[in-house]
Amino acid sequence: GAVVSQHPSWVICKSGTSVKIECRSLDFQATTMFWYRQFPKQSLMLMATSNEGSKATYEQGVEKDKFLINHASLTLSTLTVTSAHPEDSSFYICSARERMTLRGQETQYFGPGTRLLVL
Amino acid sequence: GNSVTQMEGPVTLSEEAFLTINCTYTATGYPSLFWYVQYPGEGLQLLLKATKADDKGSNKGFEATYRKETTSFHLEKGSVQVSDSAVYFCALSHSGAGSYQLTFGKGTKLSVIP
Repeated sequence: GAVVSQHPSWVICKSGTSVKIECRSLDFQATTMFWYRQFPKQSLMLMATSNEGSKATYEQGVEKDKFLINHASLTLSTLTVTSAHPEDSSFYICSARERMTLRGQETQYFGPGTRLLVL
Repeated sequence: GNSVTQMEGPVTLSEEAFLTINCTYTATGYPSLFWYVQYPGEGLQLLLKATKADDKGSNKGFEATYRKETTSFHLEKGSVQVSDSAVYFCALSHSGAGSYQLTFGKGTKLSVIP
């Protein structure tokens, strides 16, 4: 099946630094990638939708300047957490939508997630 | 708006027991419905899906039927194994921001004991 990778899987950083997380679709082209945030024992909250070659669409309440998303190619999207603070500590998950769709319905393939800890 | 409600966990079962995790949804139009599974320390994996009413999705012994009349997509398995211990998320897809987005339920943690 379709494979999505994320790098790094774990990151620990000091407060005030920036962290970049990569999301790659390994065996398919992804016109759309999604970034989610998951708090402990809670569901995934969509942060933004990223279409290749255009600006990301952020969900209400998500700071655009805080969470920078770049989707430069059909296989790579990056999320940069700028000036990270302890409250940004979370599990960040990306997903990718295949370019080809069946009957207009969508299946998303998820990366394994990146656990961020800000000290 | 769109929403997904699934039974709260945690659910603890003995090996070989029957599993049901209830999921109901609210949506406009005709969404696709999904069950995702998250094993400890891992990302989400698609377990099964159904794209239209009365469709049955199945995988690894799990089944769920898209019931439009009751707006439900309950997950079932006849005989669970310890390896099925995970968090299960019900989700629906809908069009938003020019692309399809997923709305998730809160997840149900399943623990299967030997």
